[in-house]
Amino acid sequence: GAGVSQSPRYKVAKRGQDVALRCDPISGHVSLFWYQQALGQGPEFLTYFQNEAQLDKSGLPSDRFFAERPEGSVSTLKIQRTQQEDSAVYLCASSLPQTPGYTFGSGTRLTVV
Amino acid sequence: GENVEQHPSTLSVQEGDSAVIKCTYSDSASNYFPWYKQELGKGPQLIIDIRSNVGEKKDQRIAVTLNKTAKHFSLHITETQPEDSAVYFCAASMGYGGSQGNLIFGKGTKLSVKP
Repeated sequence: GAGVSQSPRYKVAKRGQDVALRCDPISGHVSLFWYQQALGQGPEFLTYFQNEAQLDKSGLPSDRFFAERPEGSVSTLKIQRTQQEDSAVYLCASSLPQTPGYTFGSGTRLTVV
Repeated sequence: GENVEQHPSTLSVQEGDSAVIKCTYSDSASNYFPWYKQELGKGPQLIIDIRSNVGEKKDQRIAVTLNKTAKHFSLHITETQPEDSAVYFCAASMGYGGSQGNLIFGKGTKLSVKP
């Protein structure tokens, strides 16, 4: 597609529920990043994929967070047993290798109640 | 690790005036400095970037300057227009390939341009 597509746009989850957030990167973009953006803050790095390989997951805040990109295109960020502090906008970005500047999606706003 | 500080947090200007947003970074190994504009309900959009081997870069009404010695960089917007109103983020990374491309963002500046 023309841009990075994320779904759903909005998700309300009850505390303790599992959620799955989807990212469709730009076709051909090898690099894929997930960021978490709390209200009024800048995005914070969660994890990075190069094709299907998850090369950096140092930003994942706990073992409740899990990301995958099994075929090197679509990626899913899964959060188990959601907590209120997980409420944030989750942004996905993709880029070509060795190319400056990401293209971000519009994000998924997760609200845990 | 890298830390990026951004000032001011809010900035209000009259249409036609200039706006300046400043950022400092802590890790001298950082060498790529992009600026993103984020409108309400949208993801950040890259507006300009600079690499550490360049001191200044300009694109129409937008310019970025970099002082490697002082570890600070600034965004300059001239002849501001109401559509420039948004939240602006500076960021730093140690490159843009692979995991070196992880961006460390500032906390953002909310720019309001009054007609």
